[in-house]
Amino acid sequence: DQQVKQNSPSLSVQEGRISILNCDYTNSMFDYFLWYKKYPAEGPTFLISISSIKDKNEDGRFTVFLNKSAKHLSLHIVPSQPGDSAVYFCAASGRSGGYQKVTFGTGTKLQVIP
Amino acid sequence: DGGITQSPKYLFRKEGQNVTLSCEQNLNHDAMYWYRQDPGQGLRLIYYSQIVNDFQKGDIAEGYSVSREKKESFPLTVTSAQKNPTAFYLCASSIRGDTEAFFGQGTRLTVV
Repeated sequence: DQQVKQNSPSLSVQEGRISILNCDYTNSMFDYFLWYKKYPAEGPTFLISISSIKDKNEDGRFTVFLNKSAKHLSLHIVPSQPGDSAVYFCAASGRSGGYQKVTFGTGTKLQVIP
Repeated sequence: DGGITQSPKYLFRKEGQNVTLSCEQNLNHDAMYWYRQDPGQGLRLIYYSQIVNDFQKGDIAEGYSVSREKKESFPLTVTSAQKNPTAFYLCASSIRGDTEAFFGQGTRLTVV
């Protein structure tokens, strides 16, 4: 049962344009959402997060939008740069059995074409 | 420099042998995690610990064991009971369970 889904395994975008990565979740108990960026053979690095009490959080070129009613979040990167090429993971955090648990999506591989 | 260290980066083992992956952090984080990454599967949670001497099974704990005797250390043992142990293993830590996690560089385990 995949509680966090990233339905697009890959995405190609021209340099300078907007990249939009999508994520859907099924568990309404999730109250904190995160995006991570990962290069091959390395650990993921934290990018941006959003609490369930907000619907938008912005950090430089990165903006995360949360639509709780649709159980959907998206990461916008604008303008996209070649160095943004990586795998992006969506993650959701919520209480489970008295503990805070983080569940990751399957990732979207972004390629920014110069 | 504060950070989280996994060792070794590459590990080869014969089938049927137990192997222990090391994870150390000096970030003073309470929470630590082990994930496994397989192609097309994202990061799947093996075990997590939110405080010393306490840990919980994640989604794919069968065939794995952990200990959390010290705040800084969260070693993962891949036992012979794990049917498909070859994978990329990632350790992470966070201040609490609901804050961003810092990941190590990963250990690629190959069982032959």
